[in-house]
Amino acid sequence: GQQLNQSPQSMFIQEGEDVSMNCTSSSIFNTWLWYKQDPGEGPVLLIALYKAGELTSNGRLTAQFGITRKDSFLNISASIPSDVGIYFCAGQFSSGTYKYIFGTGTRLKVLA
Amino acid sequence: DAGVTQSPTHLIKTRGQHVTLRCSPISGHKSVSWYQQVLGQGPQFIFQYYEKEERGRGNFPDRFSARQFPNYSSELNVNALLLGDSALYLCASSPDSNYGYTFGSGTRLTIV
Repeated sequence: GQQLNQSPQSMFIQEGEDVSMNCTSSSIFNTWLWYKQDPGEGPVLLIALYKAGELTSNGRLTAQFGITRKDSFLNISASIPSDVGIYFCAGQFSSGTYKYIFGTGTRLKVLA
Repeated sequence: DAGVTQSPTHLIKTRGQHVTLRCSPISGHKSVSWYQQVLGQGPQFIFQYYEKEERGRGNFPDRFSARQFPNYSSELNVNALLLGDSALYLCASSPDSNYGYTFGSGTRLTIV
């Protein structure tokens, strides 16, 4: 099935470090979402972006809707052990279409 | 408030059997979507329903079908199960198609 490219695929970082990950597409999206998924659970919505260039924060998390509308970035500042998990981006082609395309995921591990 | 609830949480079926998965959306949410998540991958879109009408369908065979009831709960049906149908099936709800989805914890379906 179709999936967006996320990088890095996985990362190990020290507690307190900042984290950056991104998501790219060959298609233009109107909406970008970022989710976090813990083992055995469904994805939890972190940030939603609705406009090109938009920069939105949620606590230590900041995400940006790329100006080309083909990419998005997620930053986590001052990481803590509970940030461990898999982070997924998801894009929607246009308002009114109901299908979100998910990325391949970035697996984050935080070393205390 | 209750989140998105799915039942059952785990299910084991044999090849060729039929399965029905159930989902109750967050109160007030009229849109329900179904996603399949194979181990190690991001969720793949199967169906989206809004106000009891199908509004989107992913690249899944006709063995997959769904419906939404007047109370906005939903069922996903899969016929003639194959080994490759083993996955986590996620249900998500939203007020309408233009908001990020809230996911349930999923149903882990194992085909033997």
